[in-house]
Amino acid sequence: EVHLVESGGGLEQPGGSLRLSCAVSGFTFSSYAMTWVRQAPGKGVEWVSGASGSGISTYYADSVKGRFTISRDNSKNTLYLQMNSLRVEDTAVYYCAKNGAYDIEGLDRWGQGTLVSVSS
Amino acid sequence: QLVLTQSPSASASLGASVKLTCTLSSGHSSYAIAWHQQQPEKGPRYLMKLNSDGSHSKGDGIPDRFSGSSSGAERYLTISSLQSEDEADYYCQTWGTGLQLFGGGTKLTVL
Repeated sequence: EVHLVESGGGLEQPGGSLRLSCAVSGFTFSSYAMTWVRQAPGKGVEWVSGASGSGISTYYADSVKGRFTISRDNSKNTLYLQMNSLRVEDTAVYYCAKNGAYDIEGLDRWGQGTLVSVSS
Repeated sequence: QLVLTQSPSASASLGASVKLTCTLSSGHSSYAIAWHQQQPEKGPRYLMKLNSDGSHSKGDGIPDRFSGSSSGAERYLTISSLQSEDEADYYCQTWGTGLQLFGGGTKLTVL
């Protein structure tokens, strides 16, 4: 059975940093692209970043480009999101999701999410 | 520019059918999409991948009441025999070179 479990969320001040993790099981991690999606309170879902199966190809939404870094450790079946220079508007539940192919495409599995709050 | 457009809300009666629409921006009518459901206070759940020719592949455990179809730049999600647990937000999602994006979502109310 496929499982995706996010961790690392919490309260951080503007300008601070957080590192999210997503531990996965139930599928061959390195064969699939992975994606981070966020949802601000009361808002719709927003794509944040994606990484190909190898992690060599990475992609970012304009809103996080230059501040966030996606990476993956295929030996540990874990996806990461390093978030620097956090802003109040980064406050959201962050979900990791599995793609249906080696490169980014349709998402076919979601984690339960981890809450990131940015406030002074 | 690749954009997905969804109506903000829809409603239908218990036991009836409803058809939700996701529209791809001009020049992108050949793109596939995915439909996702988010019930209140829960994370999103994958429903299906829907191709431009209307063929679709559903996620594990998704009931037969959920089906997809396509016409030009329109992608549809039809839910038949509506149940109370179908009251949720529904998002379409697509992808292009180096990006993924979501529609704004449709909030479905089951009357």
